[in-house]
This record gives sequence, structure tokens and C-alpha cells, in this order.
Amino acid sequence: GAVVSQHPSRVICKSGTSVKIECRSLDFQATTMFWYRQFPKQSLMLMATSNEGSKATYEQGVEKDKFLINHASLTLSTLTVTSAHPEDSSFYICSARDPGLTDTQYFGPGTRLTVL
Amino acid sequence: GNSVTQMEGPVTLSEEAFLTINCTYTATGYPSLFWYVQYPGEGLQLLLKATKADDKGSNKGFEATYRKETTSFHLEKGSVQVSDSAVYFCALSDLGSARQLTFGSGTQLTVLP
Repeated sequence: GAVVSQHPSRVICKSGTSVKIECRSLDFQATTMFWYRQFPKQSLMLMATSNEGSKATYEQGVEKDKFLINHASLTLSTLTVTSAHPEDSSFYICSARDPGLTDTQYFGPGTRLTVL
Repeated sequence: GNSVTQMEGPVTLSEEAFLTINCTYTATGYPSLFWYVQYPGEGLQLLLKATKADDKGSNKGFEATYRKETTSFHLEKGSVQVSDSAVYFCALSDLGSARQLTFGSGTQLTVLP
């Protein structure tokens, strides 16, 4: 199946710093990528839809100035958590939709963010 | 709006037992239905999918049939293994929602040797 990578897999940062997470589709071009947040033992919460070449669409309650999303190419989307605080600690997962199989999203392995 | 209701967990089974995880959905259009599996510390992997009524998705011994009349997509496996221990998510994707995935709450499965 299609492969989506995320980097880094784990990151620990100090409160107040910014962290960038990369999501890449490795064997297909993804016009649409999605960013999710997952709390322990809970389901995935959609944060935003990232569209190549245009602004991301954020879900209600997600601060666009805090969670900056850039989808500069068909294989790369980035999520930057700005001025991170301990409450931003979470598991962040991206997915990419294969345009050849429009109903299928492929997920990255996730990034564990810990803010001290 | 769209929603997915999944069987509450956790579920604990002995190896070789029969597994059923119930999933029902509500959608405004004609959704595609999915089961994803998440192993500890990892992202989600697509397990199987079905795109129209009466389709059966299958993979690795798991099966689920798209039942429009009961709006269900129950996951089954005839004989589970310890390696099947994971969290299972039912999800739907609807053209009306721009193909965003709506997830169920997830079901933790533990298989004991």
C-alpha cells in the first residue's frame, strides 16, 4: 500500500518554543492531507485539512495561529505548533488521500510531542 | 451530520476465539466505510474497506460487509491471534463531507495466549 512518513517520530521541547512536524507521501502525489490529534485512549480528532497550494481549512475550535499548516508541494505538508505549552502535548497524526483512490486515506506513523 | 458508533471496549479474547466488533453509522450521502487498526505507539493502518452496499472488505482474515439496510459495517474474524491485539477504528468517508474521515471511538482488543 501507499506509504506516508512523518518526521520526527518523537520530539520533546521546552514551553514557548515552536515545533515543526513534516508529513510526506512517498509514492503518490497528495493534493489533500489531513492533520489529526489523538489523546491517550481516544479517537482521532481532525484538526485541519491541508490543500496543496491553498490555505488549510481548520476545524472548529482549532487555533489557526497556533497550529500553522503549510502544504507547499504535492508530497509534503507541515504542521508547526507555535509557542508550545504542556497542554499541546499529544500524538499528532497526518494522513494523505491518494487521488487515484479517492476514498482511501493513508496514515503516517504519528509524532509524539511532549512539551515540558 | 455524519457519525460512527462503535462497540465499547475493551474486548479481551483467548487465542483462536471468534471476534465481532460492531459498527453502525449515520451519513447524509453514500459513504465509503473503513476499518483501521492502530498498534501501540503507531499511526493507523487501513485494514479493509467497502465502497458500496453489499460489498465485503477483507484482509488478514478480517471481514466486514457494508449493510445499507442496517447501516452497519461489523468487523469479524474467525480465529484471532495474539498479534491482533490493537485498537480498531471504524470510519466513514462521504462526498458530502469532502471525503473527510469520521471515526468511531475505537475498540481496544486484547488477545491472550
